[in-house]
Amino acid sequence: SQKIEQNSEALNIQEGKTATLTCNYTNYSPAYLQWYRQDPGRGPVFLLLIRENEKEKRKERLKVTFDTTLKQSLFHITASQPADSATYLCALDASGSNYQLIWGAGTKLIIKP
Amino acid sequence: DAGVIQSPRHEVTEMGQEVTLRCKPISGHNSLFWYRQTMMRGLELLIYFNNNVPIDDSGMPEDRFSAKMPNASFSTLKIQPSEPRDSAVYFCASMGGLGSPLHFGNGTRLTVT
Repeated sequence: SQKIEQNSEALNIQEGKTATLTCNYTNYSPAYLQWYRQDPGRGPVFLLLIRENEKEKRKERLKVTFDTTLKQSLFHITASQPADSATYLCALDASGSNYQLIWGAGTKLIIKP
Repeated sequence: DAGVIQSPRHEVTEMGQEVTLRCKPISGHNSLFWYRQTMMRGLELLIYFNNNVPIDDSGMPEDRFSAKMPNASFSTLKIQPSEPRDSAVYFCASMGGLGSPLHFGNGTRLTVT
């Protein structure tokens, strides 16, 4: 069955360092992958989308990579700040329509000052 | 842009009662999604509308759940009768076009006692 995994343990990072979150998937050939940020009591907020033919995507301090051979996406936050503390969710879509997104459980990121 | 608006933010009800959750999508978005989020199961898609028409309701857990979208600016999710296992955060999300990111509301936290 289709499966998507993110680190279940919280990730603690010192302020100023680069935080790297992992999203692994199996039995799946996604057309693209999305990353969202979720704060307590809020809905997920879209950050980045990367397509299957793209290796890397950047937005300000954020960088996403997509390795379809390894079936893995990495999400990097450089020069991390306490305000980056949140839960980060990855989601895969194989249908091209978005409605069949499969979501990871999310990784809680804690940036310590 | 006010974003996706959900009401109420919190709902506490007794088992057996009817619960109605409401959603106003972003103006101009033609797709609307209802999700449920729990610690155990993460984000689960319940139902998806495109141009006000339900496209896929395979995620609706039981006949106790129903959803409507009478027009492009309003949708409801109804649970009747409610049960304690329905306790979760229910999110509504809208999408502007095929392959676009989802825009989530801040959810309704439902507690059924």
